[in-house]
Amino acid sequence: DPKIIQKPKYLVAVTGSEKILICEQYLGHNAMYWYRQSAKKPLEFMFSYSYQKLMDNQTASSRFQPQSSKKNHLDLQITALKPDDSATYFCASSQARNTGQLYFGEGSKLTVL
Amino acid sequence: GEQVEQLPSSLIVQEGASVLINCSYTDSASVYFPWYKQEPGKRLQFIIDIRSNMERKQTQRLTLLFDKKTKHLSLHITATQPGDSAIYFCSAARTGGYKVVFGSGTRLLVSP
Repeated sequence: DPKIIQKPKYLVAVTGSEKILICEQYLGHNAMYWYRQSAKKPLEFMFSYSYQKLMDNQTASSRFQPQSSKKNHLDLQITALKPDDSATYFCASSQARNTGQLYFGEGSKLTVL
Repeated sequence: GEQVEQLPSSLIVQEGASVLINCSYTDSASVYFPWYKQEPGKRLQFIIDIRSNMERKQTQRLTLLFDKKTKHLSLHITATQPGDSAIYFCSAARTGGYKVVFGSGTRLLVSP
């Protein structure tokens, strides 16, 4: 059983549109994260949340907005999509801040045309 | 901010060989160093970790060495198998932070 569910697994979008990537974890973890993986930057930290509060943000662009409706949810809204946003977006979670291992989802592969 | 470098970027070995993956970091405040494995098309999976108060950790065919003075880690994999073919990532994290920084990865291919 997948413990972190990411939806959709694949998506194609047109430049300028908006997409939401869904992430739910059923591990009982307190912290959740988003990472981006592309050919240019292999695994890039984007955001971290703990108890639905933003803890760290390394994404310069406001086009990327995390949304946490519940402790075990951390969605990622991306607006005004650009071809450079094409990447695989991984959601992860951990029991506690940096004292435990990250458990990753299977990723959402986004292609922007 | 923290930067994590990994070398080599890729390795091709015959089954049964040993491999060494090197990793260096820049932030002296980093204290926790987990490593992950990513098989093609799959999620990253934790494989081994070490904390800054340790010099060595071993589990099955993996040995992780840590040198705090030089800010260097090395992962040794012995008796490689085709199933070890994957991208291996080194990472670093500070105490009390919510950010884990990853290296660029080492792509390992083990041929039968």
